[in-house]
Amino acid sequence: AQKITQTQPGMFVQEKEAVTLDCTYDTSDPSYGLFWYKQPSSGEMIFLIYQGSYDQQNATEGRYSLNFQKARKSANLVISASQLGDSAMYFCAMREPRGGANSKLTFGKGITLSVRP
Amino acid sequence: EAGVTQFPSHSVIEKGQTVTLRCDPISGHDNLYWYRRVMGKEIKFLLHFVKESKQDESGMPNNRFLAERTGGTYSTLKVQPAELEDSGVYFCASSQDVWGSGANVLTFGAGSRLTVL
Repeated sequence: AQKITQTQPGMFVQEKEAVTLDCTYDTSDPSYGLFWYKQPSSGEMIFLIYQGSYDQQNATEGRYSLNFQKARKSANLVISASQLGDSAMYFCAMREPRGGANSKLTFGKGITLSVRP
Repeated sequence: EAGVTQFPSHSVIEKGQTVTLRCDPISGHDNLYWYRRVMGKEIKFLLHFVKESKQDESGMPNNRFLAERTGGTYSTLKVQPAELEDSGVYFCASSQDVWGSGANVLTFGAGSRLTVL
């Protein structure tokens, strides 16, 4: 079974509008971490935001917020006030167990976001 | 602070040849990871170094792949002999060893694109 599912084939958003990128995950471990990375055309993977499974609040980092719904096992990324530079591929990833330095990330297939001027 | 550097950015080789990819992590980062993305598929974990030791190499596809991290600094990933299915983008990432911190963010390089003809 897929651990991280990103099913949206490609997303389009108008500049300055908000967009939600979906991510669902599957784990039986109560301790895990969820990450979002952005990959622009330059190829580098850029860390955006992190959510721990025990965190009480949804994570926020500037224009990025994570809509964490634990019971539904979803961790959707919300980008507010989209900018042209947000056009990129976005990857959702999970680490289990949460705090282990030795634990590896499992990635989804990614979602392509295109911001229209 | 310099990021994670990978070389070459793109390599085109014939089936049966050898290729060596290099990764320079962020200075002071003990953890070094190799990941691979085959076209259209998820980014997959290959292996994890802690300093010069291989902590987890469960993702290495077969014995044609050899990773080293001499002296706990830079790392190389050698593919010998290369096969068609080895084509993809090879990412390197590094992180500080912050045990107990769920975030333990991985900083990725821009990747090395390998094309095997």
